[in-house]
Amino acid sequence: DAMVIQNPRYQVTQFGKPVTLSCSQTLNHNVMYWYQQKSSQAPKLLFHYYDKDFNNEADTPDNFQSRRPNTSFCFLDIRSPGLGDAAMYLCATSTGGVNQPQHFGDGTRLSIL
Amino acid sequence: GENVGLHLPTLSVQEGDNSIINCAYSNSASDYFIWYKQESGKGPQFIIDIRSNMDKRQGQRVTVLLNKTVKHLSLQIAATQPGDSAVYFCAESNTDKLIFGTGTRLQVFP
Repeated sequence: DAMVIQNPRYQVTQFGKPVTLSCSQTLNHNVMYWYQQKSSQAPKLLFHYYDKDFNNEADTPDNFQSRRPNTSFCFLDIRSPGLGDAAMYLCATSTGGVNQPQHFGDGTRLSIL
Repeated sequence: GENVGLHLPTLSVQEGDNSIINCAYSNSASDYFIWYKQESGKGPQFIIDIRSNMDKRQGQRVTVLLNKTVKHLSLQIAATQPGDSAVYFCAESNTDKLIFGTGTRLQVFP
């Protein structure tokens, strides 16, 4: 019954080596979000897609990119990961519009060697 | 700068007692509020939400109270159980984005 699925759950990459995290949803929601969460902190929004419209947060580093090829899938690309990018990355979805709950996946924990 | 080593506020309660987790929100224009529970190694899980035209909403063992005058939100958990141990986040919104609070760790001891 998993509705927002993130793969892999754990990802290890080398410093500077590009990495892609994936998210899929079975809810047919219009909006997909990517968050970064560091230990003992709240999730921090990186960007979101409303359908095919991409919305970047002002303080999201250029190192982070995203793709949404269709309604069900969304990818987070980190072009040159640094040690500071080690974190949990969470994907969420919502139906769109204001005042709607977001539904989260269980995240991908990214480690940088 | 980055909040390295930030310690979450912690609430410790005995199993069976009621828990109250508080949250102060920042934007007086926010009209939607939501509580999430996050267990270790998992994503945030929806608990309950409330819109600004209400001041109280009840779910199963949980109640959310909203005081718009002082911009305060609380989550009450009745008869707290060990499975309630987690980090709890409040979030506010008036757009399609959520603004999360800093979180509170709930520890339940026997």
